[in-house]
Amino acid sequence: DAGVIQSPRHEVTEMGQEVTLRCKPISGHDYLFWYRQTMMRGLELLIYFNNNVPIDDSGMPEDRFSAKMPNASFSTLKIQPSEPRDSAVYFCASSPGGFSKGYTFGSGTRLTVV
Amino acid sequence: DQQVKQNSPSLSVQEGRISILNCDYTNSMFDYFLWYKKYPAEGPTFLISISSIKDKNEDGRFTVFLNKSAKHLSLHIVPSQPGDSAVYFCAASAFEKLTFGTGTRLTIIP
Repeated sequence: DAGVIQSPRHEVTEMGQEVTLRCKPISGHDYLFWYRQTMMRGLELLIYFNNNVPIDDSGMPEDRFSAKMPNASFSTLKIQPSEPRDSAVYFCASSPGGFSKGYTFGSGTRLTVV
Repeated sequence: DQQVKQNSPSLSVQEGRISILNCDYTNSMFDYFLWYKKYPAEGPTFLISISSIKDKNEDGRFTVFLNKSAKHLSLHIVPSQPGDSAVYFCAASAFEKLTFGTGTRLTIIP
């Protein structure tokens, strides 16, 4: 298995622009998670899905952030409009459930908003 | 409110010695505790976990200790090797979610 695949690896955009981050989870994993990593707050959970259904989006910072999972093999995280304080590394992770071995993370997307 | 705390942002240890990374938590509902390791430009990778009903779990050079009364866990790496240099995240699970600490950067000095 290729693992969790995220694209793009790096994104530089201007303030006010729309940004879309993409994730392909591991086949057969029923759970998908979006995290954001910053120096101050470490890894923060933004939202997670179970069987393509959003379960908890309480970590989404503002209405500018939205996430979708149209099918079991694809998810997007969208920021519109983007702001400089959104600059961070965004990780997608997936899991089959049973959290004794945690999640499998993708390599992340480094977002820079200028 | 940080439910999982790693109070040491960095730690340096001589190669061959023991590395001890610490983590504190506040939520009594956590049922599993995990350690992740992260290299630059990569995602975190799972290292070792422990159930809340145990107090120790060992896997090769890595041992995790859990003290529920103190709400504290630690990761011991013995002996430390240069490849262990990375950022280590402590995490705790409750209700399908993992909550992470802010990480400790471990540097192994040759």
